[in-house]
Amino acid sequence: DGGITQSPKYLFRKEGQNVTLSCEQNLNHDAMYWYRQDPGQGLRLIYYSQIVNDFQKGDIAEGYSVSREKKESFPLTVTSAQKNPTAFYLCASSILQLGSNEQFFGPGTRLTVL
Amino acid sequence: AQSVTQLDSQVPVFEEAPVELRCNYSSSVSVYLFWYVQYPNQGLQLLLKYLSGSTLVKGINGFEAEFNKSQTSFHLRKPSVHISDTAEYFCAAKGSGYALNFGKGTSLLVTP
Repeated sequence: DGGITQSPKYLFRKEGQNVTLSCEQNLNHDAMYWYRQDPGQGLRLIYYSQIVNDFQKGDIAEGYSVSREKKESFPLTVTSAQKNPTAFYLCASSILQLGSNEQFFGPGTRLTVL
Repeated sequence: AQSVTQLDSQVPVFEEAPVELRCNYSSSVSVYLFWYVQYPNQGLQLLLKYLSGSTLVKGINGFEAEFNKSQTSFHLRKPSVHISDTAEYFCAAKGSGYALNFGKGTSLLVTP
């Protein structure tokens, strides 16, 4: 089945540690996205990528980094510079076709900083 | 880029009653609008989308939405809700490039 997988589902981190969240898709989509979700705040865009080896900052990129070495993979690293990393992280992908911004979402990773 | 406002953070409703979840957008250019649903601890699932054409859009699970250009609204409706419709609902609009701008969400709580 085609889809987006995120791992792990739950992740615990000590303060000061970097942690990497995995996102893989087999939909052959060119574009991939990372969102952060906090209660009452909706989804906020962290980073997005429209092509391999290229990515752009979203609205809340500070304290995060990404890479796009393969079309199907878009890992997100939460660095120690992110002051409040506890949140639900969602990865999404889409085709690149003007007029069709529909995004497909993974099941999410819940990160908790201890 | 378009910004999105969901007017209600929580909507309680009794089972089998009708419901409307409100969404307003701001834009002066072409409009692409979406409604997504999120069940607890899961990702988002597309309910319906408006790209062009008919202003009444039908989606999955009996939901529909009406695009109203004069009122810049895209409200989501269902004539009779079920307990299983309890979830978080997000309205979204085209953002920068191919990204989406999401509203803050509306929590729909259906009770017997």
